[in-house]
Amino acid sequence: TQLLEQSPQFLSIQEGENLTVYCNSSSVFSSLQWYRQEPGEGPVLLVTVVTGGEVKKLKRLTFQFGDARKDSSLHITAAQPGDTGLYLCAGANAGNNRKLIWGLGTSLAVNP
Amino acid sequence: GAGVSQSPSNKVTEKGKDVELRCDPISGHTALYWYRQSLGQGLEFLIYFQGNSAPDKSGLPSDRFSAERTGGSVSTLTIQRTQQEDSAVYLCASSLFDITGTEAFFGQGTRLTVV
Repeated sequence: TQLLEQSPQFLSIQEGENLTVYCNSSSVFSSLQWYRQEPGEGPVLLVTVVTGGEVKKLKRLTFQFGDARKDSSLHITAAQPGDTGLYLCAGANAGNNRKLIWGLGTSLAVNP
Repeated sequence: GAGVSQSPSNKVTEKGKDVELRCDPISGHTALYWYRQSLGQGLEFLIYFQGNSAPDKSGLPSDRFSAERTGGSVSTLTIQRTQQEDSAVYLCASSLFDITGTEAFFGQGTRLTVV
């Protein structure tokens, strides 16, 4: 069974701090997506990474796909209260592209 | 509409009753997905539609669950003889083609509570 493990499960930090959350698996994925979900809403796609070693930046967010395409990280610089939410990673493999494998998410709280 | 719309937003039902959950995807999106999210859990895949056909329904947890899509648009997820373990948030997503190839847009979900 493919699994995606996200860590930490919960994170509470002060505004202005930096943080990194991780998404790890023993399986290889052809692509990996990061979503943010706010309470009462559905997840919203932040980024898709497809190439091993790929780094993508979205303002203060930096996403990295591991060289072996088994893991990924999300780094937030100078976190803002607006970054608060549940961060989910989801992986797909070439043989089962339509069914994403989801992690349980990292719940981030950024305190003013 | 501008986004994926789900109804109702909240549903409380008695154990043993049937419920229908509705999803209106973004116009023109051919792919539609249903997921279930329980407290503290990730997203559990239920079923995938491409147009009106469902090439992958392997995630439906039992034969009490069924879904249909008509006109390549609206989809209904039906749960018969609801059980307490069916309580969860049911999320619908649509995309232009494939969830790994293009962005998936999610609705706000239907929170189902079985009492």
